[in-house]
Amino acid sequence: DSGVTQTPKHLITATGQRVTLRCSPRSGDLSVYWYQQSLDQGLQFLIQYYNGEERAKGNILERFSAQQFPDLHSELNLSPLELGDSALYFCASSRQGLSTGELFFGEGSRLTVL
Amino acid sequence: DQQVKQNSPSLSVQEGRISILNCDYTNSMFDYFLWYKKYPAEGPTFLISISSIKDKNEDGRFTVFLNKSAKHLSLHIVPSQPGDSAVYFCAAEKTSGSRLTFGEGTQLTVNP
Repeated sequence: DSGVTQTPKHLITATGQRVTLRCSPRSGDLSVYWYQQSLDQGLQFLIQYYNGEERAKGNILERFSAQQFPDLHSELNLSPLELGDSALYFCASSRQGLSTGELFFGEGSRLTVL
Repeated sequence: DQQVKQNSPSLSVQEGRISILNCDYTNSMFDYFLWYKKYPAEGPTFLISISSIKDKNEDGRFTVFLNKSAKHLSLHIVPSQPGDSAVYFCAAEKTSGSRLTFGEGTQLTVNP
Protein backbone atom coordinates (compact mmCIF):
# COMPACT_ATOMS: atom_id res chain seq x y z
CA ASP A 1 0.00 0.00 0.00
CA SER A 2 1.64 3.22 -1.23
CA GLY A 3 -0.60 5.46 0.88
CA VAL A 4 -1.93 7.21 -2.22
CA THR A 5 -5.66 6.74 -2.73
CA GLN A 6 -7.43 7.13 -6.04
CA THR A 7 -11.15 7.01 -6.73
CA PRO A 8 -12.97 5.66 -8.62
CA LYS A 9 -11.00 2.54 -9.55
CA HIS A 10 -13.10 1.92 -12.64
CA LEU A 11 -15.36 4.20 -14.63
CA ILE A 12 -17.32 3.59 -17.82
CA THR A 13 -18.93 6.54 -19.50
CA ALA A 14 -19.84 7.96 -22.90
CA THR A 15 -18.31 10.48 -25.26
CA GLY A 16 -19.21 14.05 -24.45
CA GLN A 17 -19.57 13.38 -20.74
CA ARG A 18 -17.56 14.77 -17.84
CA VAL A 19 -15.67 12.80 -15.22
CA THR A 20 -13.75 13.75 -12.11
CA LEU A 21 -10.91 11.60 -10.83
CA ARG A 22 -9.84 12.08 -7.26
CA CYS A 23 -6.51 11.56 -5.54
CA SER A 24 -5.46 11.73 -1.91
CA PRO A 25 -1.67 11.88 -1.50
CA ARG A 26 0.38 10.17 1.16
CA SER A 27 0.23 11.86 4.53
CA GLY A 28 2.73 14.72 4.55
CA ASP A 29 3.32 14.79 0.80
CA LEU A 30 2.83 18.22 -0.71
CA SER A 31 3.23 17.35 -4.39
CA VAL A 32 0.71 15.55 -6.56
CA TYR A 33 1.38 14.35 -10.09
CA TRP A 34 -1.06 13.03 -12.69
CA TYR A 35 -0.01 10.53 -15.34
CA GLN A 36 -1.96 8.92 -18.18
CA GLN A 37 -1.21 5.43 -19.46
CA SER A 38 -2.87 4.56 -22.73
CA LEU A 39 -2.75 1.08 -24.26
CA ASP A 40 0.82 -0.13 -24.83
CA GLN A 41 2.24 3.24 -23.94
CA GLY A 42 4.31 4.49 -21.07
CA LEU A 43 3.10 6.84 -18.42
CA GLN A 44 2.60 10.27 -19.92
CA PHE A 45 3.04 13.17 -17.52
CA LEU A 46 0.01 15.44 -17.40
CA ILE A 47 0.45 17.94 -14.59
CA GLN A 48 1.99 18.54 -11.17
CA TYR A 49 0.75 20.52 -8.19
CA TYR A 50 2.73 21.55 -5.17
CA ASN A 51 0.98 22.77 -2.04
CA GLY A 52 -2.04 23.93 -3.99
CA GLU A 53 -0.27 25.58 -6.90
CA GLU A 54 0.41 24.31 -10.39
CA ARG A 55 4.12 23.54 -10.65
CA ALA A 56 4.61 21.85 -14.02
CA LYS A 57 2.48 21.04 -17.02
CA GLY A 58 3.03 18.22 -19.47
CA ASN A 59 0.88 16.76 -22.22
CA ILE A 60 -2.41 17.75 -20.67
CA LEU A 61 -5.15 18.52 -23.16
CA GLU A 62 -7.15 21.73 -22.93
CA ARG A 63 -10.26 19.60 -22.33
CA PHE A 64 -8.66 18.45 -19.08
CA SER A 65 -8.26 20.49 -15.94
CA ALA A 66 -6.91 19.79 -12.49
CA GLN A 67 -6.54 21.38 -9.12
CA GLN A 68 -5.14 20.71 -5.68
CA PHE A 69 -7.23 21.70 -2.71
CA PRO A 70 -6.15 23.13 0.67
CA ASP A 71 -6.32 19.65 2.21
CA LEU A 72 -3.85 18.60 -0.56
CA HIS A 73 -6.16 16.18 -2.33
CA SER A 74 -6.32 16.67 -6.08
CA GLU A 75 -8.93 16.25 -8.76
CA LEU A 76 -8.50 15.73 -12.50
CA ASN A 77 -11.49 16.75 -14.60
CA LEU A 78 -11.97 15.48 -18.13
CA SER A 79 -14.63 17.07 -20.32
CA PRO A 80 -15.94 16.63 -22.93
CA LEU A 81 -14.75 13.05 -23.15
CA GLU A 82 -13.55 11.47 -26.39
CA LEU A 83 -12.94 7.81 -27.22
CA GLY A 84 -9.17 8.37 -27.10
CA ASP A 85 -9.37 9.40 -23.45
CA SER A 86 -9.84 5.76 -22.46
CA ALA A 87 -6.78 5.02 -20.35
CA LEU A 88 -5.40 4.37 -16.89
CA TYR A 89 -4.93 7.57 -14.96
CA PHE A 90 -2.37 7.45 -12.17
CA CYS A 91 -1.86 9.89 -9.39
CA ALA A 92 1.46 10.01 -7.57
CA SER A 93 2.76 12.04 -4.67
CA SER A 94 6.11 13.07 -3.28
CA ARG A 95 7.33 14.95 -0.24
CA GLN A 96 9.11 17.77 -2.03
CA GLY A 97 8.07 20.15 -4.77
CA LEU A 98 10.81 19.05 -7.12
CA SER A 99 10.85 15.43 -8.06
CA THR A 100 13.40 13.62 -5.92
CA GLY A 101 12.97 10.59 -8.08
CA GLU A 102 10.81 8.40 -5.94
CA LEU A 103 7.16 8.94 -6.57
CA PHE A 104 4.49 6.98 -4.73
CA PHE A 105 1.72 5.91 -7.06
CA GLY A 106 -1.90 5.11 -6.44
CA GLU A 107 -3.53 2.06 -8.00
CA GLY A 108 -4.95 4.12 -10.83
CA SER A 109 -8.39 4.94 -12.20
CA ARG A 110 -9.33 3.00 -15.31
CA LEU A 111 -11.50 5.13 -17.57
CA THR A 112 -13.41 3.59 -20.45
CA VAL A 113 -15.17 5.94 -22.85
CA LEU A 114 -17.77 4.30 -25.10
CA ASP B 1 8.96 12.66 -29.16
CA GLN B 2 9.69 9.58 -27.06
CA GLN B 3 12.67 10.63 -24.97
CA VAL B 4 12.84 7.35 -23.05
CA LYS B 5 12.43 4.12 -24.99
CA GLN B 6 12.19 0.52 -23.98
CA ASN B 7 12.39 -1.39 -27.24
CA SER B 8 11.44 -4.79 -25.87
CA PRO B 9 7.75 -5.03 -24.96
CA SER B 10 8.31 -8.42 -23.35
CA LEU B 11 11.01 -10.71 -21.99
CA SER B 12 10.75 -14.29 -20.79
CA VAL B 13 13.43 -16.00 -18.68
CA GLN B 14 13.81 -19.13 -16.60
CA GLU B 15 13.82 -18.99 -12.83
CA GLY B 16 17.36 -18.66 -11.50
CA ARG B 17 18.73 -17.10 -14.68
CA ILE B 18 19.61 -13.46 -15.31
CA SER B 19 17.01 -10.98 -16.59
CA ILE B 20 18.35 -7.98 -18.48
CA LEU B 21 15.99 -5.13 -19.26
CA ASN B 22 17.17 -2.32 -21.48
CA CYS B 23 16.33 1.35 -21.83
CA ASP B 24 17.57 4.12 -24.11
CA TYR B 25 17.16 7.86 -23.74
CA THR B 26 17.72 10.79 -26.05
CA ASN B 27 17.72 13.82 -23.77
CA SER B 28 21.29 14.55 -22.62
CA MET B 29 19.91 16.76 -19.85
CA PHE B 30 18.62 13.74 -17.93
CA ASP B 31 20.83 13.11 -14.93
CA TYR B 32 18.85 10.75 -12.76
CA PHE B 33 17.40 7.43 -13.78
CA LEU B 34 15.00 5.06 -12.11
CA TRP B 35 13.31 1.72 -12.55
CA TYR B 36 9.76 1.10 -11.42
CA LYS B 37 7.98 -2.22 -11.19
CA LYS B 38 4.26 -2.65 -11.76
CA TYR B 39 2.06 -5.62 -10.92
CA PRO B 40 -1.43 -5.93 -12.43
CA ALA B 41 -4.08 -3.79 -10.74
CA GLU B 42 -1.43 -1.92 -8.77
CA GLY B 43 0.41 1.34 -9.27
CA PRO B 44 4.10 1.40 -10.18
CA THR B 45 6.51 1.06 -7.27
CA PHE B 46 10.07 2.34 -7.10
CA LEU B 47 12.73 -0.33 -7.51
CA ILE B 48 16.19 1.21 -7.94
CA SER B 49 17.81 4.40 -9.19
CA ILE B 50 21.12 5.73 -10.40
CA SER B 51 22.63 9.17 -10.68
CA SER B 52 24.53 10.20 -13.78
CA ILE B 53 27.72 10.51 -11.74
CA LYS B 54 27.75 6.74 -11.32
CA ASP B 55 27.81 3.90 -13.80
CA LYS B 56 26.48 1.18 -11.53
CA ASN B 57 24.18 0.83 -8.57
CA GLU B 58 23.39 -2.42 -6.82
CA ASP B 59 20.63 -3.39 -4.42
CA GLY B 60 20.43 -7.05 -3.61
CA ARG B 61 19.47 -8.99 -6.71
CA PHE B 62 18.97 -5.80 -8.71
CA THR B 63 21.73 -3.85 -10.45
CA VAL B 64 21.33 -0.88 -12.73
CA PHE B 65 24.06 0.03 -15.20
CA LEU B 66 24.35 3.42 -16.89
CA ASN B 67 26.31 4.09 -20.08
CA LYS B 68 26.12 7.85 -20.55
CA SER B 69 28.02 7.94 -23.82
CA ALA B 70 25.54 5.50 -25.34
CA LYS B 71 22.59 7.04 -23.49
CA HIS B 72 21.67 3.56 -22.36
CA LEU B 73 20.79 1.95 -19.09
CA SER B 74 19.97 -1.59 -18.14
CA LEU B 75 18.50 -3.43 -15.19
CA HIS B 76 19.94 -6.81 -14.26
CA ILE B 77 18.04 -9.18 -12.01
CA VAL B 78 20.05 -12.12 -10.69
CA PRO B 79 18.78 -14.68 -9.92
CA SER B 80 15.34 -14.12 -11.41
CA GLN B 81 12.37 -15.35 -9.41
CA PRO B 82 8.75 -15.96 -10.46
CA GLY B 83 7.68 -13.10 -8.17
CA ASP B 84 9.71 -10.76 -10.36
CA SER B 85 7.15 -11.22 -13.14
CA ALA B 86 5.80 -7.70 -13.70
CA VAL B 87 6.01 -4.73 -16.03
CA TYR B 88 9.22 -2.76 -15.58
CA PHE B 89 9.31 0.92 -16.45
CA CYS B 90 12.46 2.89 -17.00
CA ALA B 91 12.21 6.59 -16.07
CA ALA B 92 14.48 9.60 -16.30
CA GLU B 93 14.55 13.14 -14.98
CA LYS B 94 16.54 16.31 -14.73
CA THR B 95 17.08 16.87 -11.02
CA SER B 96 16.42 20.55 -11.55
CA GLY B 97 13.09 19.66 -13.10
CA SER B 98 9.85 18.41 -11.68
CA ARG B 99 8.74 15.43 -13.69
CA LEU B 100 9.69 11.87 -14.51
CA THR B 101 9.68 10.77 -18.15
CA PHE B 102 8.78 7.11 -18.50
CA GLY B 103 9.43 4.49 -21.12
CA GLU B 104 6.73 2.21 -22.49
CA GLY B 105 7.51 -0.65 -20.14
CA THR B 106 8.76 -4.22 -20.56
CA GLN B 107 6.68 -7.19 -19.41
CA LEU B 108 9.03 -9.63 -17.67
CA THR B 109 7.86 -13.20 -17.21
CA VAL B 110 9.96 -15.52 -15.07
CA ASN B 111 9.04 -19.14 -15.65
CA PRO B 112 9.43 -21.69 -12.81
